[in-house]
Amino acid sequence: NAGVTQTPKFQVLKTGQSMTLQCAQDMNHEYMSWYRQDPGMGLRLIHYSVGAGITDQGEVPNGYNVSRSTTEDFPLRLLSAAPSQTSVYFCASTTLRGTSGQSRYNEQFFGPGTRLTVL
Amino acid sequence: AQTVTQSQPEMSVQEAETVTLSCTYDTSENNYYLFWYKQPPSRQMILVIRQEAYKQQNATENRFSVNFQKAAKSFSLKISDSQLGDTAMYFCAFMKLAGSGNTGKLIFGQGTTLQVKP
Repeated sequence: NAGVTQTPKFQVLKTGQSMTLQCAQDMNHEYMSWYRQDPGMGLRLIHYSVGAGITDQGEVPNGYNVSRSTTEDFPLRLLSAAPSQTSVYFCASTTLRGTSGQSRYNEQFFGPGTRLTVL
Repeated sequence: AQTVTQSQPEMSVQEAETVTLSCTYDTSENNYYLFWYKQPPSRQMILVIRQEAYKQQNATENRFSVNFQKAAKSFSLKISDSQLGDTAMYFCAFMKLAGSGNTGKLIFGQGTTLQVKP
């Protein structure tokens, strides 16, 4: 299993440009999410999805769109990039099934991250 | 709303010594999980240890253990016999449970950068 994959690993954009960060997982997880990591602020939830066709906003959704057409993929779109979106972005997935006591219950699997710079 | 606070931005420890990282949280929930994640310079997020709120026994994973004080809403991480490979940023995280299980939403603290010195 590849786990959670993200592309690209690095990206530089100019203000106003658009782009899509890709995220895929091969573990059949129903739950997928996007976080951004900023110095001194930890990771903050942008958007999440509990299954194909279902998405919802997290703590910091403004400026980002998501869609979930398949179980495997959960892309994050920046429609008009701003310098405030300079950050490291992580995709994560987990299963909402299972019970306490199972070894990987509640474990979130994270992708390797994308470092985005908006000039 | 839940919040997680890590009040130590940076810490250092000598190799083979013991270090404790602090974490406090605020919630009105009764059913939740707490986690410690490690982020080495590679940037990969690695789960170190988890604690279920309804369990009174503190979780342990080899050299890593927690001191979970539910009433005080405190969840510290103790690293024993520190190794150079423990150098990383450590995040405390909270996740509430809803209904029959996992909500999936993690709330992170600000992080503590730990340096292990030879």
